[in-house]
Amino acid sequence: DAKTTQPPSMDCAEGRAANLPCNHSTISGNEYVYWYRQIHSQGPQYIIHGLKNNETNEMASLIITEDRKSSTLILPHATLRDTAVYYCIVRVTGANSKLTFGKGITLSVRP
Amino acid sequence: EPEVTQTPSHQVTQMGQEVILRCVPISNHLYFYWYRQILGQKVEFLVSFYNNEISEKSEIFDDQFSVERPDGSNFTLKIRSTKLEDSAMYFCASKKGRAGDTQYFGPGTRLTVL
Repeated sequence: DAKTTQPPSMDCAEGRAANLPCNHSTISGNEYVYWYRQIHSQGPQYIIHGLKNNETNEMASLIITEDRKSSTLILPHATLRDTAVYYCIVRVTGANSKLTFGKGITLSVRP
Repeated sequence: EPEVTQTPSHQVTQMGQEVILRCVPISNHLYFYWYRQILGQKVEFLVSFYNNEISEKSEIFDDQFSVERPDGSNFTLKIRSTKLEDSAMYFCASKKGRAGDTQYFGPGTRLTVL
């Protein structure tokens, strides 16, 4: 699986958009970009994933650059409950492939 | 919405004892996983399981570990003789099966080995 690079931390104000960057310059054509988050020591929570096109769901939007070498997770209106570690993971397609977690980015949402 | 459940939420055991961690994956899922997270460290893959056999395992998953799907709903991780360094959060995950399908995680079991 391709390696990802994320800044260690960032913060944003409650109610504002949080834009979390991820670099994955060695991504290959059959690899998806997944985002999970982990609040305290709870189980990782799936947020969103994409291959080439931008994606949006009820939690977030995922913007993938045209060359697929980087992506941005956008939480449109961050709340205090969005404070967590966010993991950007690149995963080969394949029915059984595991997730390889890095250190992620710690997002702190301030009141 | 269906979710992965795990029991117990916290298990305390003495070094050398056997423990069994239990998971109930989402009911129509076919692929099952165990991960662990030592305090302050990354989430690490342990093992994946499909069609009643191990598909892939990491270096961590040595002979003291085993997994089983004893019936149609449970998925267990057994640690035969626990060591202090097995203290960690253990997460179960499941996936429906198609390539690209998402893994959903349970809340975890905190294992403390004394």
